[in-house]
Amino acid sequence: EAQVTQNPRYLITVTGKKLTVTCSQNMNHEYMSWYRQDPGLGLRQIYYSMNVEVTDKGDVPEGYKVSRKEKRNFPLILESPSPNQTSLYFCASGWGASDTQYFGPGTRLTVL
Amino acid sequence: AQSVTQPDIHITVSEGASLELRCNYSYGATPYLFWYVQSPGQGLQLLLKYFSGDTLVQGIKGFEAEFKRSQSSFNLRKPSVHWSDAAEYFCAGVSVLNDMRFGAGTRLTVKP
Repeated sequence: EAQVTQNPRYLITVTGKKLTVTCSQNMNHEYMSWYRQDPGLGLRQIYYSMNVEVTDKGDVPEGYKVSRKEKRNFPLILESPSPNQTSLYFCASGWGASDTQYFGPGTRLTVL
Repeated sequence: AQSVTQPDIHITVSEGASLELRCNYSYGATPYLFWYVQSPGQGLQLLLKYFSGDTLVQGIKGFEAEFKRSQSSFNLRKPSVHWSDAAEYFCAGVSVLNDMRFGAGTRLTVKP
């Protein structure tokens, strides 16, 4: 089944404790991206990747890192999480930025 | 700055009534435009997209959208709403710079 998977689905952590949210797609898509969703703000793009080893900042990259060492995986790294990063995070993939995006189920992160 | 605006935060319609959700965009050139739907606790699913050509776009689940360059709008419509259409709807745009921007979303409630 074609899908985008994210892990974990739920995470509660404390300020400053490094964490990684994994994202994997099995559709051989070149384009992958991360978003955060906050009430009243919709989805805001954090980072995107046009292909392996190519990543670019989106609208809200501060406090986040990403890597794209393989086509299928695009992990989101929070080196030192803070409470303002409490949010719902979505990973998405597609053939390109202008193509249909396939979204993962979301990761709800709470930073205490 | 490039942006997508959804003026209505919440809309309530009766089952069987028609629906129109508004979306306005602000880009230097016409972006690629999308409508996505998010059911409670789910990721986003593409309803339809506009790249060029015919300004009336048909999508899944009986939805359609009309692109109006003069009004910088891309409104979503459905002639007869079903209870299962209750969800949050997001308009999105992508420029040639590959940065995707979402509107804040419109939550649709369907009354019996």
